[in-house]
This record gives sequence, structure tokens and C-alpha cells, in this order.
Amino acid sequence: RKEVEQDPGPFNVPEGATVAFNCTYSNSASQSFFWYRQDCRKEPKLLMSVYSSGNEDGRFTAQLNRASQYISLLIRDSKLSDSATYLCVVHGSSNTGKLIFGQGTTLQVKP
Amino acid sequence: DGGITQSPKYLFRKEGQNVTLSCEQNLNHDAMYWYRQDPGQGLRLIYYSQIVNDFQKGDIAEGYSVSREKKESFPLTVTSAQKNPTAFYLCASSIQGAYEQYFGPGTRLTVT
Repeated sequence: RKEVEQDPGPFNVPEGATVAFNCTYSNSASQSFFWYRQDCRKEPKLLMSVYSSGNEDGRFTAQLNRASQYISLLIRDSKLSDSATYLCVVHGSSNTGKLIFGQGTTLQVKP
Repeated sequence: DGGITQSPKYLFRKEGQNVTLSCEQNLNHDAMYWYRQDPGQGLRLIYYSQIVNDFQKGDIAEGYSVSREKKESFPLTVTSAQKNPTAFYLCASSIQGAYEQYFGPGTRLTVT
């Protein structure tokens, strides 16, 4: 089993749609969680951290379910510019700063 | 402007040659990391360094070497021992004790 698993997609949605991505992780001791966005042939950029209580940033909502060991990202009112690959990232329980990256979920928003 | 720079953006080498990829940051971050990304795959950790003059192997260190002589710089050498060196190489940095990592623009290495 991979340490961090995501549905690779692609998810093809029309503009204005709401889309949700899920991610599961294997290490129950993981402490920190993130979503990164990666555009084609570019570097990953931090989209948002994921907090236990859930958090929202504009059209983006991230949630964490520790009991089931999954993380979700909800995008409301999708824009063409949201088209990208979304990486689920988990930090382990050690103090080394090592992050574990999922393979990413590709989103294509169409007019 | 603060940030992470990697050079060059594209690099072409012949098989059997060592090649060094540059990574510089002026964010005053303590920790630096090297990742490799292959098409359709997640990032895989090659080496990381939490402090100057110290570094640790990541998950796929074989065929690579690093140095950390200065806080700002963390060069990666891809040696001829690396079996499949063609990939997108990403350097990242973070504040010690914080887990968010910030990435440079990457170097695409092609070895033929």
C-alpha cells in the first residue's frame, strides 16, 4: 500500500462546478497535512494546510478525518484557471521535515 | 525578492557524465531538500539537509551526492551510477520546525 494515495483522475468538470478530491494516508501517526497545486511542467506550490477542524480559503475547503485517515479538498465554482494537478502531502511523525507526496489528481475545467 | 532559484532550467548530458544541479535560496531557511519527479508519479525524496554541513539520504539516494557548505546552497550531483537520470529535479526549502516546503522552478535533466 502506498503511503499516500490519490485518485489520479483526470477529473473533467464544467466551469462553475463543485469538485472534490480525496486522499488516504497509511501512517496513523502523521501530524501535518497539505494540498499543493502543480501546473503542467512547473513546480508544486502550497495551496493550503489542512487542519483538524477543517479550513477554508475562498472557494477552497480542506478537511481532515483522522479516524479514517483521509483528507479532502473541495473546490466550489470552478474556474478555468483551477486546471492543474493537486498533490496531497503528508508529514510523518518524525522531526525530519520529510514530506510524503501523493501522485496527484488532475483537474481539467472546461468552458 | 526572496525565493529559491535552480539553474539551469533545462540540461542535456551524455550517458556516463556526472552533472551538478544548482539550488540557491535567500529565504534564510535552515532545511533544504532534493526531489525527483517522473511522469505520472509523485515526488520522491533524494537527499535532505536540516543544517549546514549535515545531510541525510532520502528514499532514492543511490547514484546521487550532495553538499551543504553554505546555508543558501544545496547542489545535487547526478553521477554516472544513477541508472535512470532523466527526470524533473526539484529543490525545496523550509523553516526548521515548520513542515511547509517551498519549491524552486526545477531543472529538467535529459541524459542520452
